[in-house]
Amino acid sequence: QVQLLESGPGLVKPSETLSLTCTVSGGSIRSYYWSWIRQPPGKGLEWIGHISNSGSTKYNPSLKSRVTISADTSKNQFSLKLTSVTAADTAVYFCVRELGQQPEFDYWGQGTLVTVSS
Amino acid sequence: DIQMTQSPSSLSASVGDRVTITCRASQRIGSYLNWYQQKPGKAPKVLMFAASSLQSGVPSRFSGSGSGTEFTLTISSLQPEDFATYYCQQSYRTPYTFGQGTKLQIK
Repeated sequence: QVQLLESGPGLVKPSETLSLTCTVSGGSIRSYYWSWIRQPPGKGLEWIGHISNSGSTKYNPSLKSRVTISADTSKNQFSLKLTSVTAADTAVYFCVRELGQQPEFDYWGQGTLVTVSS
Repeated sequence: DIQMTQSPSSLSASVGDRVTITCRASQRIGSYLNWYQQKPGKAPKVLMFAASSLQSGVPSRFSGSGSGTEFTLTISSLQPEDFATYYCQQSYRTPYTFGQGTKLQIK
């Protein structure tokens, strides 16, 4: 059974960098694509971007200039960095596995709330 | 970006009712449409993929249809555990995008 677990600070100051890590168990990140998706409190879901099994990345253009997704295959982890955060970046952040060429998101982490506040 | 619009945004129904949620895409997306169920404080769970394929383990009272720009999710006989928020998501092109959600509440 694949399991994903997000970790990182729950509070980030405005203008600083949000950093989260997703640890994957029950499967290798060398297989599949891996995404980050976020959900502001009480709102809908936004795809942030993904990293492929070969390490290539694609980002949502709405965030592209501020986002970096990377992977550490030795630890079976992938990470998200979001720079210059504002209150609008306050959200629950999910790490997610993509399945298929036109993918569904089939395995999700539990999500971690990141609040941007001074 | 491909915009996904769900209707209704909220829906009140009773146990045993048949309900249908509609999702419209701003451009043709073939059958590259997935449906998710989300309960409060939990991660979304995939119900349907490729518009009409039932995810393993999902009850058969859930069904999906559509192609192109218009899609539906139907629950044939609502059960108490089905009261949740439902999202559609297009997987035709990045950035992958979601509908705004349909909150299904008990009448």
